[in-house]
Amino acid sequence: EIVLTQSPGTLSLSPGETATLSCRASQSVSTTYIAWYQQKPGQAPRLLIYGTSSRATGVADRFRGSGSGTDFTLTIWGLEREDFALYFCQQYGTSPYTFGQGTNVEIK
Amino acid sequence: QVQVMQSGAEVKKPGASVKVSCKATGNTFLGYYMYWVRQAPRQRLEWMGWINTITGGTNYAQKFHGRVTMTWDTSTNTGYMEMWSLRSDDTAKYFCARVKGSYSGMDVWGQGTTVTVSS
Repeated sequence: EIVLTQSPGTLSLSPGETATLSCRASQSVSTTYIAWYQQKPGQAPRLLIYGTSSRATGVADRFRGSGSGTDFTLTIWGLEREDFALYFCQQYGTSPYTFGQGTNVEIK
Repeated sequence: QVQVMQSGAEVKKPGASVKVSCKATGNTFLGYYMYWVRQAPRQRLEWMGWINTITGGTNYAQKFHGRVTMTWDTSTNTGYMEMWSLRSDDTAKYFCARVKGSYSGMDVWGQGTTVTVSS
């Protein structure tokens, strides 16, 4: 199965700063099949990005996805207080569809 | 506003089975896929499989083959995930989620159902 490794595990930033989250796959994944999710404590994940760079409905344009091959990135420009949360990447091109272990973006 | 409601928390003994339901307002899932994902304590999200709500076709992760069945009731627009031969490491929160197509992510989620397996 494709293993997704996210880094860093925790990102400590202040509101207004830019967060750069990395997701590395153990083998190449088509850009069509990479998604990013945000999860807050006690809640279900929320889809942010699909197809590497397409924002889901209602997602602010400060969330940008990019990448190809085995390296993918979620960038959050100008962090707002509601953005401090856990973020997961997912590949859904090869079964079993797999998730990264998550990056926690916390307030510094 | 779309709402997806899952059934309530379950406590089961090892070896038992559990059936979790997922119902959405209107035709939220009609014509799309219902995915099931679980999240065990301190573990990453784990995809279990999906069901096509039009054809009833399913695709299960190999890990769950023979232990999980996903179904869709067209009369009530409700999806079900049944798992049997439960073990302690099946303790997790189970989510249903909608996927519109092969290229889409999971854009609508249930609130999750906690299943605890303990003797």
